[in-house]
Amino acid sequence: KAGVTQTPRYLIKTRGQQVTLSCSPISGHRSVSWYQQTPGQGLQFLFEYFSETQRNKGNFPGRFSGRQFSNSRSEMNVSTLELGDSALYLCASSLDSRLATNEKLFFGSGTQLSVL
Amino acid sequence: GENVEQHPSTLSVQEGDSAVIKCTYSDSASNYFPWYKQELGKRPQLIIDIRSNVGEKKDQRIAVTLNKTAKHFSLHITETQPEDSAVYFCAASPWAGTALIFGKGTTLSVSS
Repeated sequence: KAGVTQTPRYLIKTRGQQVTLSCSPISGHRSVSWYQQTPGQGLQFLFEYFSETQRNKGNFPGRFSGRQFSNSRSEMNVSTLELGDSALYLCASSLDSRLATNEKLFFGSGTQLSVL
Repeated sequence: GENVEQHPSTLSVQEGDSAVIKCTYSDSASNYFPWYKQELGKRPQLIIDIRSNVGEKKDQRIAVTLNKTAKHFSLHITETQPEDSAVYFCAASPWAGTALIFGKGTTLSVSS
């Protein structure tokens, strides 16, 4: 079974631009969450999607948005990029069955975003 | 909202020693506490987890303990090996769903 796939692997943008990152979860997984990883702040939760609906949201400005499609694939968008948005953006998927919540997360390799 | 504090930020041990990493959380609604290991340049991977109705869980050389009253949980690694060197993250889940709030990580270095 293929793992969580994130594209692109690397991105270089300039301040003020916008960017869209893509995440394909493990087949059958219905929940997708996004995290920003930086050396100083560790892993910070952005948002979580389940069945095309945003279920939870972290403390990030409105410039960060996301969505989930009917096939569970997810995208996140960052508008008006700032230098501080440079980070590794990780996507994680989970089976999230009706039998239990708090299912194990499987992470993708991430998209390394550099804002110049 | 939930806040997870993790200590220490760096930990150096000799091969064969034990390592302990401690985390505290703020939201009493949190009911799930996983630990992730991230090796350099790789994705985080779950190594052990514990739910709020359990006080301790062990898997070979790794164990996790949870004190709900004090709102803290700890990771214990015994007989450390060089391949245990990595960044370890604790996390808590305060919501229904799978979203996690992570601590800032502990860089563990095991020297032989």
